[in-house]
Amino acid sequence: QSVLTQPPSASGTPGQRVTISCSGSRSNIGSRTVNWYQQLPGTAPKLLIYTNNQRPSGVPDRFSGSKSGTSASLAISGLQSEDEADYYCAAWDDSLNGYVFGTGTKVTVL
Amino acid sequence: EVQLVESGGGLVKPGGSLRLSCAASGFTFSSFSMNWVRQAPGKGLEWVSSTDSGSRSIYYADSVKGRFTISRDNAKNSLYLQMNSLRAEDTAVYYCARATTLAGIAASGSGYWGRGTLVTVSS
Repeated sequence: QSVLTQPPSASGTPGQRVTISCSGSRSNIGSRTVNWYQQLPGTAPKLLIYTNNQRPSGVPDRFSGSKSGTSASLAISGLQSEDEADYYCAAWDDSLNGYVFGTGTKVTVL
Repeated sequence: EVQLVESGGGLVKPGGSLRLSCAASGFTFSSFSMNWVRQAPGKGLEWVSSTDSGSRSIYYADSVKGRFTISRDNAKNSLYLQMNSLRAEDTAVYYCARATTLAGIAASGSGYWGRGTLVTVSS
């Protein structure tokens, strides 16, 4: 049972904006930075956002991250068919003394 | 180019042991924190263990504490995961991943991943 909670699914049509939430607590999101990962079917995860809102080189600026209190969000603007994937938030947890992943959100492009 | 290649996965009986390896190249291995992450079939990602660059700070998920041991050989650019007392619930693809920046995994997540190696625990 993950300590970071995400909605199981999200969807949108091409060009729309989709937002995924990640709810945590003071021991993780509330005191640490948040990272977001994308996992396409059958492939290894890929880092999309690190340190709350930083994009690694090569990640399109359609992807953006934010954090407020004990929650974080990933926004995908201008949704494209290739964005259909599973998305995970993650953060260090000071109570568990370990890294925790969110429950994951499957994004479907209608 | 950063490359991480896992090996050592396979079929093992419950209670058995297995040692995973991760060969790193394309970066200064001795400078970066590394970790293992696993994914059971059809399930989400689960962090397993992390080590800092010098093996001074090592952490484990509660689910593997006391059974798994992470280690690294900076001279060989390699990361390892010794898995003992394996259980059916340890069945998963195991990924080796590198911290995005020198700030470590907690601050910047894992920006580089291997393709994974499958571990199946079954009688």
